[in-house]
Amino acid sequence: DIQMTQSPSSLSASVGDRVTITCRASQGISNYLAWYQQKPGKAPKLLIYAASTLQSGVPSRFSGSGAGTDFTLTISSLQPEDVATYYCQKYNSAPLTFGGGTKVEIK
Amino acid sequence: QVQLVESGGGVIQPGGSLRLSCAASGFSFNIFDMHWVRQAPGKGLEWVAAIWFDGNNKYYADSVKGRFTISRDNSKNTLYLQMNSLRAEDTAVYYCAKDRTGGQNSYQNYWGQGTLVTVSS
Repeated sequence: DIQMTQSPSSLSASVGDRVTITCRASQGISNYLAWYQQKPGKAPKLLIYAASTLQSGVPSRFSGSGAGTDFTLTISSLQPEDVATYYCQKYNSAPLTFGGGTKVEIK
Repeated sequence: QVQLVESGGGVIQPGGSLRLSCAASGFSFNIFDMHWVRQAPGKGLEWVAAIWFDGNNKYYADSVKGRFTISRDNSKNTLYLQMNSLRAEDTAVYYCAKDRTGGQNSYQNYWGQGTLVTVSS
């Protein structure tokens, strides 16, 4: 099965900073990659699908890129409401594996 | 609007069985694939199982294969997860999630609020 590895596992940044999270697949998955945001005590929320397509209603400061095995989620200007854990997920075929998550905090 | 409401969680002894339900509304349930995803306390997300819109194709994580069964009743707009031979490591919040399409496993665009399953003696 394909493994999904996220880095870093946590980060602390200041409001307004550019934040980058990476996700690596152990085998190529084309662009079958989604990103989710989960705030404490809440259900996950879809941010990006097809590696770079923003879900409707998601702020434009979020963006995704990559294809094959290497993917990136970028927050262009970190806001206090972005404090959350972010997960990538591959969905080219079952099992639909998630990455381990990246916890984002405000410095 | 899309609503997914899970129920059936609780405390169960190791080796026991439990059935989770997910009541769906606000969309045409019978044309979308559905998923179960779980999250152990303080841990990350783990995809558990998926079922196609017509119930004819089912997929499982290795960790639950042979113990859990996903099913659906399109006449009742309800998704189920039958969990047998439960272990301590199955303790988690279980989320029901809607796929963005039907007939091919894809990403999940709507999620329920989850139901907690605790396996403990």
